[in-house]
Amino acid sequence: EIVMTQSPATLSVSPGERATLSCRASQNVSSNLAWYQRKPGQAPRLLIYDASTRATGIPGRFTGSGSETEFTLTISSLQSEDFALYYCQQYANWPPRVTFGGGTKVEIK
Amino acid sequence: QVQLQESGPGLVKPSETLSLTCTVSGGSVNTYYWSWIRQPPGKGLEWIGYIFYSGSTNYNPSLKSRVAMSIATSKNQFSLKLRYVTSADTAVYYCARDAFGIFTDWGQGTLVTVSS
Repeated sequence: EIVMTQSPATLSVSPGERATLSCRASQNVSSNLAWYQRKPGQAPRLLIYDASTRATGIPGRFTGSGSETEFTLTISSLQSEDFALYYCQQYANWPPRVTFGGGTKVEIK
Repeated sequence: QVQLQESGPGLVKPSETLSLTCTVSGGSVNTYYWSWIRQPPGKGLEWIGYIFYSGSTNYNPSLKSRVAMSIATSKNQFSLKLRYVTSADTAVYYCARDAFGIFTDWGQGTLVTVSS
């Protein structure tokens, strides 16, 4: 099983600042990586797929990068609505297996 | 945009069967794959399995012996059954549209507690 490791577990950032989230895969997943945002009481939202492609309706301040085993999600200028949990997920083994990272909580500094 | 909504009992007794249904609106279940994902309290997200509109399924090997999924295209719904539940199955359960491993749309999730 491919293990996904996210860091840091918690990121404290001031509004307007940049946030950089990391995700590491235990094996090469090529560009088969997605990022999701989850807020309390809301459905998780797909932000990025194929490592760097923004999903429909996702603002340009969200940027995904990386390949193989090292990936980054950058939020260029944090807005109040961006404080949330973020998960990475690999789908290199689909079908059927996919695995998620443990998440990074972005909180207000 | 597709919307998904999970429904089912929030409390299930140990050794019994957990049953959930996901109702899809704004789109048809006759396309894509449809997955169930769960997150136990304090733990990570775990993919449970998917079903295709044809009825073909694929399950997480760790749960395969206890899981069954079905789909009702006329109702635009798909369902999950998990047998012989224990406290380890207590989790928030999500349904999601699965585009070849990319979960494009999710339900809000429903908490299922296993307890007597």
